[in-house]
Formats: sequence, structure tokens, C-alpha cells
Amino acid sequence: GENVEQHPSTLSVQEGDSAVIKCTYSDSASNYFPWYKQELGKRPQLIIDIRSNVGEKKDQRIAVTLNKTAKHFSLHITETQPEDSAVYFCAAHRSNDYKLSFGAGTTVTVRA
Amino acid sequence: EPEVTQTPSHQVTQMGQEVILRCVPISNHLYFYWYRQILGQKVEFLVSFYNNEISEKSEIFDDQFSVERPDGSNFTLKIRSTKLEDSAMYFCASSGNSNQPQHFGDGTRLSIL
Repeated sequence: GENVEQHPSTLSVQEGDSAVIKCTYSDSASNYFPWYKQELGKRPQLIIDIRSNVGEKKDQRIAVTLNKTAKHFSLHITETQPEDSAVYFCAAHRSNDYKLSFGAGTTVTVRA
Repeated sequence: EPEVTQTPSHQVTQMGQEVILRCVPISNHLYFYWYRQILGQKVEFLVSFYNNEISEKSEIFDDQFSVERPDGSNFTLKIRSTKLEDSAMYFCASSGNSNQPQHFGDGTRLSIL
């Protein structure tokens, strides 16, 4: 089955700096890669996603890049703010499957 | 914005007892999912459900688990005889089709004593 690795497990950044989280996946049949943000005690909330037919997608301060050859994808948060502090999960979805396979999560702390 | 809702938010149950976790998916969604997250670990897929039947399940989803859509709005997860290791946060999710984003509920924290 699909195996998703996520790094780093924790990330502390100064407000205004950028944060980058990286994920790798094992199955070349995976073609959809969402990112979820989970604040303490709340639901995982979809913040951005990318499909395998594009290499990059941007939404305001958040961007995701995908390298299909290397089987890795990354989340980039620019101009970080305290409200960006949360746990971020990457996930991969294989075509013809139903499930999402999640990474272990990255706890991001933005220092004011 | 429509949301997936889950009840209860926290369930405490004695080991060996049955528990039912409830979910109301987003109304026009057709695919429903259960995931769980043991404290400090990654989110794990349990089961997906479409057209009134299980479409995919993981190794975790053994005979003690079952899912049901008893009416047009609810989607339930039943654990027949709970074990200590069933203690986790259980998330319900739904999507419009199998290739569309999955939207999660707030979860039910299940504590087995």
C-alpha cells in the first residue's frame, strides 16, 4: 500500500519567515495530494491540494509543489503569522482507491 | 459553508461494551469515510462507504467494526466489543465523489476504560 513520510515532525519559525514541510510517497499510482491543517481540538481542514497533472499550485500565502519523478511534494507557507500555528498533515490518494494515506504530521509553531 | 458533524464529541465506555459513533455527512456528498487517530500518531483510514455498501476497508476494520447508513442523513460506526486499544479520536469524512476532496468532522474522542 501507499506509504507517506513527512518531515520535519516539528517546525518553529519566526513570524514573517517562511515554513516548508516535505512529504514523500511510495506509490507512483498516487495522483492527488491534499494538505490538511489541524488546530488543537479541531477538525483536519483542507487548506490546499494538488493533482498529478500540475507541478505547483498557489493560494495566497500557501503553495504546494509536486515532483512526480522523485515522488515528493511540499507545502510552503510564506509570511507566517501566529494563526498559522497548527499541525499540518500531508496525504496521498491513489487512483481507483477511496482512502487517503496520511503523513505523520508536522507541528508548526510561529513565534511572535 | 456546509460541514460534517459528529456526535458525541467525547465518549467514555467500559471495555467490552458496544459503542456507536454518529456522523452527518455534507448533504449532497455520496462517499463517506471513517478514520481514526491514536494520540500522537498519524490519521489512519478505517473504511469507505458508497451506495450503501463498503467500498474499501483497512486491516484495522475487523469483525468488531461495522458501518451503517440507517437513514438519508446519518452514517454510523459501531464497535461491538471495545478494547483498550480502540481509544482514539475517530473522524468521519465525506466527499462528492471518490476523486473530490474529503471534508472532515470535528471527531469523537473515544476513551475505553
